[in-house]
Amino acid sequence: EAQVTQNPRYLITVTGKKLTVTCSQNMNHEYMSWYRQDPGLGLRQIYYSMNVEVTDKGDVPEGYKVSRKEKRNFPLILESPSPNQTSLYFCASSSPIGIFSGANVLTFGAGSRLTVL
Amino acid sequence: DAKTTQPPSMDCAEGRAANLPCNHSTISGNEYVYWYRQIHSQGPQYIIHGLKNNETNEMASLIITEDRKSSTLILPHATLRDTAVYYCIVRVGGNQFYFGTGTSLTVIP
Repeated sequence: EAQVTQNPRYLITVTGKKLTVTCSQNMNHEYMSWYRQDPGLGLRQIYYSMNVEVTDKGDVPEGYKVSRKEKRNFPLILESPSPNQTSLYFCASSSPIGIFSGANVLTFGAGSRLTVL
Repeated sequence: DAKTTQPPSMDCAEGRAANLPCNHSTISGNEYVYWYRQIHSQGPQYIIHGLKNNETNEMASLIITEDRKSSTLILPHATLRDTAVYYCIVRVGGNQFYFGTGTSLTVIP
């Protein structure tokens, strides 16, 4: 089944304790992205990656790192988590579809709910 | 500088058509409009997308105005399972997608 898999799904941690949220896709997609979702703010993009070793900042990259060493994986790293990073995180991937090369349909993971105390 | 504007909430009677509007007045000529929905806190689910012409698939129809500054997602016969937050999305700055805060649709029995 084509899917984006995130782990962990739920995590409670403490301020300053480094953590990594993994994201893996089995669709051979070039494009991958991380979003955070907070009440009243919708989904905001953290980082995205066009392909292996190519990453770029989204709208809210502060406090996060990413890497793209393999096409299928795009981990989100919180080096020193703080309470304002408590949020619901989504990973997504896409490739262009059909004959319209400009269209990108995103496939989302199930989400990772992170609480930083 | 909002990329998309949607009403925060709407109600629809079960079995009736749900028409969800979206303004995307800053859209450029080669950008697609995408619609997704999110049920509770699950991952957003793709519904439909379009560029200039109206589109229809098994889930919904998408009507895009001629000037492409707005669009309407139509769920032809809304069911209780269509209760969700619906996002109208445009791609901005190359490969970033602007989601906004969406429309919370409640289908009423």
